[in-house]
Amino acid sequence: DAGITQSPRHKVTETGTPVTLRCHQTENHRYMYWYRQDPGHGLRLIHYSYGVKDTDKGEVSDGYSVSRSKTEDFLLTLESATSSQTSVYFCAISVTGLDRTDTQYFGPGTRLTVL
Amino acid sequence: DQQVKQNSPSLSVQEGRISILNCDYTNSMFDYFLWYKKYPAEGPTFLISISSIKDKNEDGRFTVFLNKSAKHLSLHIVPSQPGDSAVYFCAAGGSNYKLTFGKGTLLTVNP
Repeated sequence: DAGITQSPRHKVTETGTPVTLRCHQTENHRYMYWYRQDPGHGLRLIHYSYGVKDTDKGEVSDGYSVSRSKTEDFLLTLESATSSQTSVYFCAISVTGLDRTDTQYFGPGTRLTVL
Repeated sequence: DQQVKQNSPSLSVQEGRISILNCDYTNSMFDYFLWYKKYPAEGPTFLISISSIKDKNEDGRFTVFLNKSAKHLSLHIVPSQPGDSAVYFCAAGGSNYKLTFGKGTLLTVNP
């Protein structure tokens, strides 16, 4: 357990509404990530952060924005949700090991349904 | 273009036997590789990793083998247990603090 929580855990919303998902960590990790998981696609990186106010895009960033105003919180926003954004969203943090591998640890996920 | 491929969407084995999950990659710049296990309605859980300077890493029932010349790695689970039934993701990483994941293999261990 890397001290990662996600909220909400489940959300149903309508097309065109804004949605914000929150990831909270308690261990002061520098790197944080947002992924989505869809059948047949595995885990795909949406955005990541390498420090407060430092973020960058992943492979599926269109339609998503992120913010990190505090080390412990990483927010993912869907400005205008679409049905194609129905997915399970996972937050992760990265820990560098003694062998210099960067292991990511994941939160429990948020299941988002856009009607 | 998929840089990390898990070509078997599913695998079924008998309890007590060996499970072998395979993963291929195309980018020779990857420095390390990881395996994750995922149960339904939970986040992925880290299982085991291997650096590109090694060809084997073992942790209990789990062993990962890396063949750099073939750009191939495999996860061996011995003996397999029903609780091992889950989706297994292979991932690869480099110097940019990002991981590239395969699409996953659903392992079913039958009692």
